[in-house]
Amino acid sequence: GESVGLHLPTLSVQEGDNSIINCAYSNSASDYFIWYKQESGKGPQFIIDIRSNMDKRQGQRVTVLLNKTVKHLSLQIAATQPGDSAVYFCADPSGGGADGLTFGKGTHLIIQP
Amino acid sequence: DTEVTQTPKHLVMGMTNKKSLKCEQHMGHRAMYWYKQKAKKPPELMFVYSYEKLSINESVPSRFSPECPNSSLLNLHLHALQPEDSALYLCASSPLGLTSGNTIYFGEGSWLTVV
Repeated sequence: GESVGLHLPTLSVQEGDNSIINCAYSNSASDYFIWYKQESGKGPQFIIDIRSNMDKRQGQRVTVLLNKTVKHLSLQIAATQPGDSAVYFCADPSGGGADGLTFGKGTHLIIQP
Repeated sequence: DTEVTQTPKHLVMGMTNKKSLKCEQHMGHRAMYWYKQKAKKPPELMFVYSYEKLSINESVPSRFSPECPNSSLLNLHLHALQPEDSALYLCASSPLGLTSGNTIYFGEGSWLTVV
């Protein structure tokens, strides 16, 4: 069936390095993707989104890349800080309408001092 | 203001109790959602309300009963729950459904423990 999935459950990076979190999707009709950050004990927090008519979108220290050919998107975090430690989910409202998001499995980003 | 407020933050209840989780947003959003999240898992959709009407029930057991009194409030009534229902319950809202460009905003969640 259709799914949104992440390649790695845990990613450990050194503070100050760049982080790249990957996500694969299978629904060719998906036209909008959202990245969420969830810190321990908190609800998911919107980070950045991208529409299918874009290949790249930049925010503050974050960049999302979308490759529709291989159905892959990535979240890049520049100069990783301790506060970036969290679980990151990509999400896809591929069904359209008020039918809720489909979340990927999540990647736990661990920042090493 | 992109705030979704959930109460209580923590709830412990017995299997014979009746309790409710509450959610409130004042962003004028017309779609509201309940999600359930177990430890180390992504959120799973339970219910969707659109214009105060239940539009999606993802085969949730009847011991969970949602209610949308008005466009700003969403409740989840709990009765005769099982220990495996212990989880983080997340409320969310979006302007209107999930057509391209509509983002869902989540509350901080209510931690439920069933004993």
